[in-house]
Amino acid sequence: EAAVTQSPRNKVAVTGGKVTLSCNQTNNHNNMYWYRQDTGHGLRLIHYSYGAGSTEKGDIPDGYKASRPSQENFSLILELATPSQTSVYFCASGAPTTNTGQLYFGEGSKLTVL
Amino acid sequence: QQKVQQSPESLTVSEGAMASLNCTFSDGTSNNFRWYRQHSAKGLEVLVSIFSDGEKEEGRFTAHLNRANLHVSLHIREPQPSDSAVYLCAVSPNNNNAPRFGAGTKLSVKP
Repeated sequence: EAAVTQSPRNKVAVTGGKVTLSCNQTNNHNNMYWYRQDTGHGLRLIHYSYGAGSTEKGDIPDGYKASRPSQENFSLILELATPSQTSVYFCASGAPTTNTGQLYFGEGSKLTVL
Repeated sequence: QQKVQQSPESLTVSEGAMASLNCTFSDGTSNNFRWYRQHSAKGLEVLVSIFSDGEKEEGRFTAHLNRANLHVSLHIREPQPSDSAVYLCAVSPNNNNAPRFGAGTKLSVKP
């Protein structure tokens, strides 16, 4: 079974602090994604990656960095967290070469910035 | 940039009645469409994928795609209270492009 694990699941940070959200997948998928989910906006794409060493900007990358040091791991970094970044963040992996190409999602990381 | 819109925002149906959800998209070259379900802000599970005009059935879930009208719909046959969740439409040009999601439809199924 495809598995995507996020950590931490809950995080409270202070304004101006650094936050790192981590994601690990055991699916051996090339593609990984970070989305945030807010009421009324659905899932919005922040960064994504096509493989180790690659990161691409999504639709709302400002204030976020991403790192893909290996096939399995993809991190989202908030260097200077702001209250507007309070949200639930979802990581996903996908294999574009499969027949379905669906995404497999983690359980989400709830971030509160005070 | 792809725009994906879903309607209605919320929908209440009685157990056993058909539930119909709608999704419109802006990029007519898209050919990769999925419906996901999300229970209580948890992770998403895929329900049905469709890649060409017409109909695709997966159990009680049926997707209809009409790319000329920039429209894809989801129909849930005989919905149950356990189907109460948020349903999200995802659209992308192909499997290798990051999908864009609609804001979701919150479905409530009453016994």
